[in-house]
Amino acid sequence: DIQLTQSPSSLSASVGDRVTITCRASQNISSYLHWYQQRPGKAPRLLIYAASSLQSGVPSRFSGSGSGTDFTLTISSLQPEDFATYYCQQSHSSPEFTFGPGTKVDIK
Amino acid sequence: QVQLQESGPGLVKASETLSLICSVSGYSISSGYYWGWIRQAPGEGLEWIGTISYSGSTDYKPSLRSRVAISLDRSKNQFSLRLTSVTAADTAVYYCARVFVGCTGSICSDYMDVWGKGTAVAVSS
Repeated sequence: DIQLTQSPSSLSASVGDRVTITCRASQNISSYLHWYQQRPGKAPRLLIYAASSLQSGVPSRFSGSGSGTDFTLTISSLQPEDFATYYCQQSHSSPEFTFGPGTKVDIK
Repeated sequence: QVQLQESGPGLVKASETLSLICSVSGYSISSGYYWGWIRQAPGEGLEWIGTISYSGSTDYKPSLRSRVAISLDRSKNQFSLRLTSVTAADTAVYYCARVFVGCTGSICSDYMDVWGKGTAVAVSS
């Protein structure tokens, strides 16, 4: 089974900060890695697919990079609505999907 | 605009069967895409349960395979989840989602691009 780890598990940041979240896979998953945002009490929302492609309607301050086993999600300038939990998800083992444990971004 | 909406009982007794429906609007589930169920236990992360294709083929998380079934109701443009022999560990918010399976240009992958708002299910003893 492919395992995903995320770091950090949580972070505190201020509006305007640059934030980077890392997702690491237990084996090579090429670019089959996607990022979701989940605000409190809300459903997840797709941000980035295939490691670096921005989903339609998602602000350009979000970006993704990486391939193989190491991936990053970057928020270039944190906005108030970005305080949320972020999950990575792999589809290399499709049709079985797994999610990372999440990274909570809160206000410093 | 595609929208998904979960519905079903919010409370299920232990050992009984959990049944949920996902109603899809703005797109015919028979036309394409895959359709999936994901759950989130209180304070926990996301767990993929299973997926059904527009043609009706299914895939399930191995640890749940003996208890889960996902099916399509094309006449109502809905798909459903059945989870048998529930325990307290099945208490969660259950989400349905549209699963993109394929390629956008040269980029091929599978991911959940549209989600329902979720429905909370508690298992009582």
